[in-house]
Amino acid sequence: AQKVTQAQTEISVVEKEDVTLDCVYETRDTTYYLFWYKQPPSGELVFLIRRNSFDEQNEISGRYSWNFQKSTSSFNFTITASQVVDSAVYFCALRGFGNEKLTFGTGTRLTIIP
Amino acid sequence: EAQVTQNPRYLITVTGKKLTVTCSQNMNHEYMSWYRQDPGLGLRQIYYSMNVEVTDKGDVPEGYKVSRKEKRNFPLILESPSPNQTSLYFCASSLSGRPADEQYFGPGTRLTVT
Repeated sequence: AQKVTQAQTEISVVEKEDVTLDCVYETRDTTYYLFWYKQPPSGELVFLIRRNSFDEQNEISGRYSWNFQKSTSSFNFTITASQVVDSAVYFCALRGFGNEKLTFGTGTRLTIIP
Repeated sequence: EAQVTQNPRYLITVTGKKLTVTCSQNMNHEYMSWYRQDPGLGLRQIYYSMNVEVTDKGDVPEGYKVSRKEKRNFPLILESPSPNQTSLYFCASSLSGRPADEQYFGPGTRLTVT
């Protein structure tokens, strides 16, 4: 069985502050893939990043960065210098190599206060 | 434009009245899936299809049916809808069934069953 936990249900920060969204996962697979998706107020789901279990390098894309730590089964997402357009629900998801299902966490609603 | 389309986008219906939500993709993807999104529960997989004529249950298949007669279409059928099926539904597709594949999501269908 695989499981994704996003313990932070809602987070509010003032614009320009940095914010980190936590994601903890469980899987028995040795090979697996982790994803982050963004759901803005308009409702669509936007793919942000994919990371495989053998690549523990952190990734940075503009103001976004991701910290993958296999030792703690975490794949956290940091937004630097947050902007109002970052307000959305963010989902972390997991898919094991032998699993045909993509398992999502319950999401974190991020509100950026102007 | 590469996309996943769903129809209708909004639907209000009554208990027991059969309905179908259509899903179509124009990317020649093999893998398609249906999810439902509920507050506090994230996205949960209903059914998925690895290819034409191949479908399998996800985590919450009760009360739903699917079919995959053509590669591009994957309709979701509610034979006898009940109020607990009120939800936001997403169709998704990916190139193949490999875990690394990014899933592309449709715009969502908001269903209300009274």
